[in-house]
Amino acid sequence: VLTQSPATLSLSPGERATLSCRASQSLSKYLAWYQLKPGQAPRLLIYNASNRAPGIPARFIGSGSGTDFTLTISSLEPEDFAVYYCQYRSSWPRFGQGTKVEIK
Amino acid sequence: QITLKESGPTLVRPTQTLTLTCTFSGFSLSESGEGVNWIRQPPGKALEWLALIYWDDDKLYSPSLENRLTITKDTSKNQVVLTMANMDPVDAATYYCAHAAYGSLTGYYDYWGQGTLVTVSS
Repeated sequence: VLTQSPATLSLSPGERATLSCRASQSLSKYLAWYQLKPGQAPRLLIYNASNRAPGIPARFIGSGSGTDFTLTISSLEPEDFAVYYCQYRSSWPRFGQGTKVEIK
Repeated sequence: QITLKESGPTLVRPTQTLTLTCTFSGFSLSESGEGVNWIRQPPGKALEWLALIYWDDDKLYSPSLENRLTITKDTSKNQVVLTMANMDPVDAATYYCAHAAYGSLTGYYDYWGQGTLVTVSS
């Protein structure tokens, strides 16, 4: 089970966003983060906990291992307001419940 | 460039079978290491992985739904088809197909379609 927190994060452009994903058992490094916006294809941001996917801006930073993972957006851009999901890589892939980053 | 697009009915009746097609370009499911997944998101809820088919026709299904799911591929048409039997209103969701391949991104979904919304109602 993946538990994301907070459920909603209300921030202003330029602020730092810190999203958490906690696993019920160790995942080693096998966690990804995705960004979802209405009407758009989801986007892979981070894989293996800390590797940015090709084309992803440096402001997206993944960290953590084992059971605790964090996605940090160092300075929010207007296009970053979206819902973010973590995902565990396995033969039965699982997603967290999501964190909505909304404009304050 | 890899692209994927989902197609299928927007409305199905309860107990009917849903058939969705993923049409893709930019890769071939005849090439070693390639795979296509189906993932869904009910309104206001989390993403849920459903099924995966590999280039070698190996298939994986969500244990919670595998008795209702069938995934197949047509390599010549660059298509993957998912069928879900005995549809229920709780199956209403946006259904996505997503690319995955062996390599540094093994187990992750690097390209997605925009999704297709399916409603289940009589």
